[in-house]
Amino acid sequence: KAGVTQTPRYLIKTRGQQVTLSCSPISGHRSVSWYQQTPGQGLQFLFEYFSETQRNKGNFPGRFSGRQFSNSRSEMNVSTLELGDSALYLCASSQGLGNTEAFFGQGTRLTVV
Amino acid sequence: QKEVEQDPGPLSVPEGAIVSLNCTYSNSAFQYFMWYRQYSRKGPELLMYTYSSGNKEDGRFTAQVDKSSKYISLFIRDSQPSDSATYLCAMSAPDSWGKFQFGAGTQVVVTP
Repeated sequence: KAGVTQTPRYLIKTRGQQVTLSCSPISGHRSVSWYQQTPGQGLQFLFEYFSETQRNKGNFPGRFSGRQFSNSRSEMNVSTLELGDSALYLCASSQGLGNTEAFFGQGTRLTVV
Repeated sequence: QKEVEQDPGPLSVPEGAIVSLNCTYSNSAFQYFMWYRQYSRKGPELLMYTYSSGNKEDGRFTAQVDKSSKYISLFIRDSQPSDSATYLCAMSAPDSWGKFQFGAGTQVVVTP
């Protein structure tokens, strides 16, 4: 059974640009959550999608957005990039019905210069 | 004060020793507790998942949850150098829809 796949693995962007990250969950999983991981703040919740609907959202500015497609694949977008957006972005896949286990992908390391 | 407190370490132990990790939390609504292992530049790997209080064992790993004390633990028996990693506790409340509260992570170093 394939795990959670995140693409790309690495990105370098310039301040002010926008970026789109992709996450393919485990087959059969309908929930995808996104997290930002930085050395100073640790893992922080961005948002969660289930069956193409955002069910939960963290405390991030509106520059951070996401969506989910009918095949459960999800994308997150960050517009007007800032230096502080440099981080490891992780997505987690779960069945989404109740509080079941969540499995993470390898992450996308975003560097903003 | 953070909702989940976890000593960042580093925690250094000799090979074969028992590794003892713990987290405390303040939100009494948390009912789902997880431990993840994260190697450098990799995504977190789920080790243990526990609902409510009690113990759970899986191979060399034992997870304990004491909801009355708001305290969770992870024990790793017969530690190996390959266990050197950062261990993260995570917890969530019912209907939190993918939102886990993570500890800061404890860096563990197992020396041969």
